[in-house]
Amino acid sequence: DAGVTQSPTHLIKTRGQHVTLRCSPISGHKSVSWYQQVLGQGPQFIFQYYEKEERGRGNFPDRFSARQFPNYSSELNVNALLLGDSALYLCASSSPNQPQHFGDGTRLSIL
Amino acid sequence: QKEVEQNSGPLSVPEGAIASLNCTYSDRGSQSFFWYRQYSGKSPELIMFIYSNGDKEDGRFTAQLNKASQYVSLLIRDSQPSDSATYLCAFTTNTGNQFYFGTGTSLTVIP
Repeated sequence: DAGVTQSPTHLIKTRGQHVTLRCSPISGHKSVSWYQQVLGQGPQFIFQYYEKEERGRGNFPDRFSARQFPNYSSELNVNALLLGDSALYLCASSSPNQPQHFGDGTRLSIL
Repeated sequence: QKEVEQNSGPLSVPEGAIASLNCTYSDRGSQSFFWYRQYSGKSPELIMFIYSNGDKEDGRFTAQLNKASQYVSLLIRDSQPSDSATYLCAFTTNTGNQFYFGTGTSLTVIP
């Protein structure tokens, strides 16, 4: 079975631009979460979506937004990119009350 | 503020030894606890999860949870060079809507 898939794998943007990251969960998983991981740190929670509704939001500015589609795939959008947004963005999916499984991530570099 | 504290290491053990990784957490409402392994440049990979006080064993790995002391640990027996990675401790609260990660402990197994 396919795991969590994320696209693109790498992305280079400049300050002020906008970016959209995509995630497809494991088949049957209805919950998708997004994390930001800066080098040398643990993943920081951004959003969780379940059944297309936002169920949790971390301490990130309004420049970060997300949505989940009827097929449970998800997009993370970041506006007005800053240098500090450079990080590995991870998507994880899960069934209720089960551990999360991560995709390979999107490495975002801001120039 | 929900916090997870891990010794960042690096921790070095000889091949065949027992590696002991520790994690403390601040939220007494924490319900579920997870250990993830992350190789450099890769996404986190679930190793074990534990919900109840006591020990849980899976092959060479043993997770130990003490909710009264707000402490969870991971023991790796017969350590192998392939175990060299960063180990992330994480927990969720009873809502299960968000994972809180530590900064990770870097483990090196010396052949």
